[in-house]
Amino acid sequence: KQEVTQIPAALSVPEGENLVLNCSFTDSAIYNLQWFRQDPGKGLTSLLLIQSSQREQTSGRLNASLDKSSGRSTLYIAASQPGDSATYLCAVEGGSGNTGKLIFGQGTTLQVKP
Amino acid sequence: GAVVSQHPSWVICKSGTSVKIECRSLDFQATTMFWYRQFPKQSLMLMATSNEGSKATYEQGVEKDKFLINHASLTLSTLTVTSAHPEDSSFYICSAGDRGHTDTQYFGPGTRLTVL
Repeated sequence: KQEVTQIPAALSVPEGENLVLNCSFTDSAIYNLQWFRQDPGKGLTSLLLIQSSQREQTSGRLNASLDKSSGRSTLYIAASQPGDSATYLCAVEGGSGNTGKLIFGQGTTLQVKP
Repeated sequence: GAVVSQHPSWVICKSGTSVKIECRSLDFQATTMFWYRQFPKQSLMLMATSNEGSKATYEQGVEKDKFLINHASLTLSTLTVTSAHPEDSSFYICSAGDRGHTDTQYFGPGTRLTVL
């Protein structure tokens, strides 16, 4: 059974800091991995999608890496801003019996203080 | 990009009543829709996968007779919570895709259900 874990559960940093969010998954036979942002009481916004054959993706100040063999992904946020405050969710598709389904981690709640 | 809407955005109902939540893909045809539930400070848990014109596939532990899913067209799926109880209070989110893989899956804004 695929399980996704995110560390830390919560993070508070001053504005301008670079930070790293971690995601691990138990079954390395994934199809892809995605990072999402969720604002309180809102739906999900897809940030980055990494296919299983890729090692990283970048969008603006965000960079996500994937090490499929070790079951890990990191989301790097450069020069954090108060507007980055949100919950960040990692999700994988794949692993035994999970084709077409997204399995989510519990998220990292980020607070960036001005 | 593709847009998925949900209606209503929030609903409060009395225990024992049924509530219907709609999920619509506004500018594309969704052959597959997914329904998720999210409890406070927890992650999204997949409830069921809905394919247009066929019966939904429910995840283990999800009661299909309590959470009725209908995917009657390529742009609309509905989730009906029957005989709702306070423990059904949650944030329900749908997503829609036009392929079998999630790299073309788009999420709705969610529906907050509160059962009194």
